[in-house]
Amino acid sequence: AQSVTQLGSHVSVSEGALVLLRCNYSSSVPPYLFWYVQYPNQGLQLLLKYTSAATLVKGINGFEAEFKKSETSFHLTKPSAHMSDAAEYFCAVSSYGNNRLAFGKGNQVVVIP
Amino acid sequence: GAGVSQSPRYKVAKRGQDVALRCDPISGHVSLFWYQQALGQGPEFLTYFQNEAQLDKSGLPSDRFFAERPEGSVSTLKIQRTQQEDSAVYLCASSAEIGQPNTEAFFGQGTRLTVV
Repeated sequence: AQSVTQLGSHVSVSEGALVLLRCNYSSSVPPYLFWYVQYPNQGLQLLLKYTSAATLVKGINGFEAEFKKSETSFHLTKPSAHMSDAAEYFCAVSSYGNNRLAFGKGNQVVVIP
Repeated sequence: GAGVSQSPRYKVAKRGQDVALRCDPISGHVSLFWYQQALGQGPEFLTYFQNEAQLDKSGLPSDRFFAERPEGSVSTLKIQRTQQEDSAVYLCASSAEIGQPNTEAFFGQGTRLTVV
């Protein structure tokens, strides 16, 4: 079975500061990893995905994530937080033979002016 | 439409009532997924369709939950004899590929079901 763990449901960050959201995965087969963002009253939107082509993945809105197999991690970062980054962020995993997404519990990001 | 459309956006049901939730996927998308998102939790997989075939329904929590996609496009999730624990946001997602786990899934805004 695949799963991801996101710690700390609420994350507060000052405007202009580093955003770091942690995601650790568990998978017995090579994983495909995703970060989705959910703005209020909107559907989940793909930020970025890891598909084994490159370990450092760049996404939309200045976000990036690095796949580290040795640490079973796929942490999401953004160098400088913007007020518009306030949203809920979900890490998810899938694999061949199991193309459903298994989501973490999510991180609610609050940006402090 | 350009995206995945779900209706209704909000549904209040009395306990014991049957409900039907609709999903219009992106035109031409062959794969369709239903997820359930309880308050404060991440989405949990319910069921998966490839065109009209329901290939995986292992996530449906009970036999009160039923999903169909008879013509391979619009899908309906039906919940019979609703109970309070069914209160959640029900998300529909579609993707263009078959069996490709690295393909982006496009999500609708969801239907928020409240059972009173």
